[in-house]
Amino acid sequence: GENVEQHPSTLSVQEGDSAVIKCTYSDSASNYFPWYKQELGKRPQLIIDIRSNVGEKKDQRIAVTLNKTAKHFSLHITETQPEDSAVYFCAASTYGNNRLAFGKGNQVVVIP
Amino acid sequence: EAQVTQNPRYLITVTGKKLTVTCSQNMNHEYMSWYRQDPGLGLRQIYYSMNVEVTDKGDVPEGYKVSRKEKRNFPLILESPSPNQTSLYFCASSLSGASEQFFGPGTRLTVL
Repeated sequence: GENVEQHPSTLSVQEGDSAVIKCTYSDSASNYFPWYKQELGKRPQLIIDIRSNVGEKKDQRIAVTLNKTAKHFSLHITETQPEDSAVYFCAASTYGNNRLAFGKGNQVVVIP
Repeated sequence: EAQVTQNPRYLITVTGKKLTVTCSQNMNHEYMSWYRQDPGLGLRQIYYSMNVEVTDKGDVPEGYKVSRKEKRNFPLILESPSPNQTSLYFCASSLSGASEQFFGPGTRLTVL
């Protein structure tokens, strides 16, 4: 089955700087790649996703890039703010497979 | 209000005592799924259902059962809980496995 890995496991950034989290996946048939944010004590919530026919997608301070050849995708957060402190999960899925494989999560800490 | 609900939110039980965690969604989603979240292991899929009476195993199905008799409900059953099933459980619903997952609030289960 699909194996998704996230790096680094913990990332500390100064407020206002950028943060980048990278995920790699193993199944070349995967074609849907979401990112979820989980604040302490809360449920995961989708923040952005990308499908394999697109190389990059942006939503305000958040962007995701996909490199299908290298089988990795990255989350970019610009102008980080304290409320960006959370655990971020990447995932991968394949149309018709109906299984969604999550990575182990990245703890992002924004230092004021 | 569109939502996924889970009950109970917290449960402490003893080894071998059968329990059921309920999950219900009001978004008419066909796809529902159960995940467990453990420190350092991220979100792991237990079971998922693509529609009424259609269920399939995820990555960690051992020790769990599910049923999908109605579209809105997807209960998780632990017939003989063991301490290694102590975890935070999330139910989620979506249009498919390759679309936004809407998570419930979580159920924190402790098996003594």
